[in-house]
Amino acid sequence: AQSVTQLDSHVSVSEGTPVLLRCNYSSSYSPSLFWYVQHPNKGLQLLLKYTSAATLVKGINGFEAEFKKSETSFHLTKPSAHMSDAAEYFCVVSVSGSYKLIFGSGTRLLVRP
Amino acid sequence: DVKVTQSSRYLVKRTGEKVFLECVQDMDHENMFWYRQDPGLGLRLIYFSYDVKMKEKGDIPEGYSVSREKKERFSLILESASTNQTSMYLCASSLSGRSHNEQFFGPGTRLTVL
Repeated sequence: AQSVTQLDSHVSVSEGTPVLLRCNYSSSYSPSLFWYVQHPNKGLQLLLKYTSAATLVKGINGFEAEFKKSETSFHLTKPSAHMSDAAEYFCVVSVSGSYKLIFGSGTRLLVRP
Repeated sequence: DVKVTQSSRYLVKRTGEKVFLECVQDMDHENMFWYRQDPGLGLRLIYFSYDVKMKEKGDIPEGYSVSREKKERFSLILESASTNQTSMYLCASSLSGRSHNEQFFGPGTRLTVL
């Protein structure tokens, strides 16, 4: 069965410093993995997705994530945080043979001025 | 621009009332989904539909039903609302064909059951 674990419920960074949001997954097959972002009172928006092509995936707003099969990780990074990055971030894995997605519990990113 | 709209942003209902949440997408997507979002639990799938009049139960279907009479519209029904159904409800849609197709989300309906 597929599952996803976000290792931090809250992350706080200063503006201009790097962002790291951690995600580990469990899957018995080669998964598709996603990161979604949710700004306050908004729906979810896709940041990036991995679908077994390049292991380093670039997304919108300067975010990127690296698929590491040996570590079963898909961590999200950004070199320099901006105030507008403050939001909740969800790591997501697809279910084999289905349109279903399994969501992590979310990481709330706080950006300090 | 692609769009998924939900009929209400905020809704307050009383215990025992029948509640309808409506979702409309303008992207001609085959798949539509209803999730509920609760703090610390992420999103949990209630039901999804892969075609008109077709539906499948998700992970937490108890207390809910759905209706899809037209391709663009997917309704979530709470037959008899209860306080434990107070939550944020999110609708999404996607193309069929591949499990890695992106899901597009609506803005959500925050439902409070008193």
